[in-house]
Amino acid sequence: DTEVTQTPKHLVMGMTNKKSLKCEQHMGHRAMYWYKQKAKKPPELMFVYSYEKLSINESVPSRFSPECPNSSLLNLHLHALQPEDSALYLCASSRGSFHMNTEAFFGQGTRLTVV
Amino acid sequence: GENVEQHPSTLSVQEGDSAVIKCTYSDSASNYFPWYKQELGKRPQLIIDIRSNVGEKKDQRIAVTLNKTAKHFSLHITETQPEDSAVYFCAATFSGGYQKVTFGIGTKLQVIP
Repeated sequence: DTEVTQTPKHLVMGMTNKKSLKCEQHMGHRAMYWYKQKAKKPPELMFVYSYEKLSINESVPSRFSPECPNSSLLNLHLHALQPEDSALYLCASSRGSFHMNTEAFFGQGTRLTVV
Repeated sequence: GENVEQHPSTLSVQEGDSAVIKCTYSDSASNYFPWYKQELGKRPQLIIDIRSNVGEKKDQRIAVTLNKTAKHFSLHITETQPEDSAVYFCAATFSGGYQKVTFGIGTKLQVIP
């Protein structure tokens, strides 16, 4: 299984809503990532979890709250978002080995629209 | 932090011709350089990668070269086909347990049949 699965695929939410994005992988990867991608732009790193601990927060606003319940799951909790937060949110995972560079596998993404 | 510059931003080639995309990076500690292909509405997918202890790597029609001294690396696609049309991102990272990947701005490749 070389899949990173994200749900939902599409999400429309109002600015007062609370929603969560989910990501799951069963490759035994110990590093998981959230990226944000706007149209015609490269993915921008938001958060990195390494061995279920938050390792990097790229100065992301607190209305985005990541959570890693276990080594296979990664959530992104959303609250009080703004229309400019509309984007494709990509989850990725990699082996997380300390001795080798390993590729990152991306999920299909959640296309989020904030209205 | 790392900065990756990529060019050209758009590239049109005739089917069968070669395409070359170039990237430069700023952080000499970067040691892993993946290339991703992203088709419209789809996820980025790794097509080839190179590690800093190697100067060149080839996989069928795709090759990547790395010049560590000059801090630049390039993607070469030969005998291009319409299905090669996509956005290609180069990236650079130092991997020490996880990857803080910095992507280039992307190159939109159009292969004209």
